[in-house]
Amino acid sequence: TQLLEQSPQFLSIQEGENLTVYCNSSSVFSSLQWYRQEPGEGPVLLVTVVTGGEVKKLKRLTFQFGDARKDSSLHITAAQPGDTGLYLCAGAETSGSRLTFGEGTQLTVNP
Amino acid sequence: GAVVSQHPSWVICKSGTSVKIECRSLDFQATTMFWYRQFPKQSLMLMATSNEGSKATYEQGVEKDKFLINHASLTLSTLTVTSAHPEDSSFYICSAKGLGFANEKLFFGSGTQLSVL
Repeated sequence: TQLLEQSPQFLSIQEGENLTVYCNSSSVFSSLQWYRQEPGEGPVLLVTVVTGGEVKKLKRLTFQFGDARKDSSLHITAAQPGDTGLYLCAGAETSGSRLTFGEGTQLTVNP
Repeated sequence: GAVVSQHPSWVICKSGTSVKIECRSLDFQATTMFWYRQFPKQSLMLMATSNEGSKATYEQGVEKDKFLINHASLTLSTLTVTSAHPEDSSFYICSAKGLGFANEKLFFGSGTQLSVL
């Protein structure tokens, strides 16, 4: 069974600070996704990475997929209160297989 | 983009009653639907996978007689929590994988908050 370890589990920072969330596994993933979820809503897909070493940027968010496709990181620059939410990574071992979700990182950005 | 509608958004029921949650793909055909359970500020726990026209596959520890899943059409899957008890109170979310989309692409419903009194 795949296991995705996500860290930190909780993060509370001030507006304007930078942060990084990590997603690690001993398994190799064919693809890895990052989601953001707000209370009372379903997760919203932010990005999918499929190539080892790939880096994708989404405004102030930078996503990286490890060279060995076992880990990923999400870096947020100059965090804003609107970034507050639960961030989830999810990996698929093979194309078409079900997603395994990480434990989640609850981010709170204080004004 | 593709939309998954989940209904109801929230439900309060008495202990011992059954509750049905619907998950519909509005503009695409969902070959596979997934049902998750989520506790506050925690990740999603996969409960079961359902494929249209066949029996659902349940994860270890999930009682199939307690959580009945029906995927009768390519656009509708239902989860029925039978004889609900307070410990069943949780946030339930569905997701769907659709025909014509990349295999990794999942579309999530907005979730159902179930409170059992």
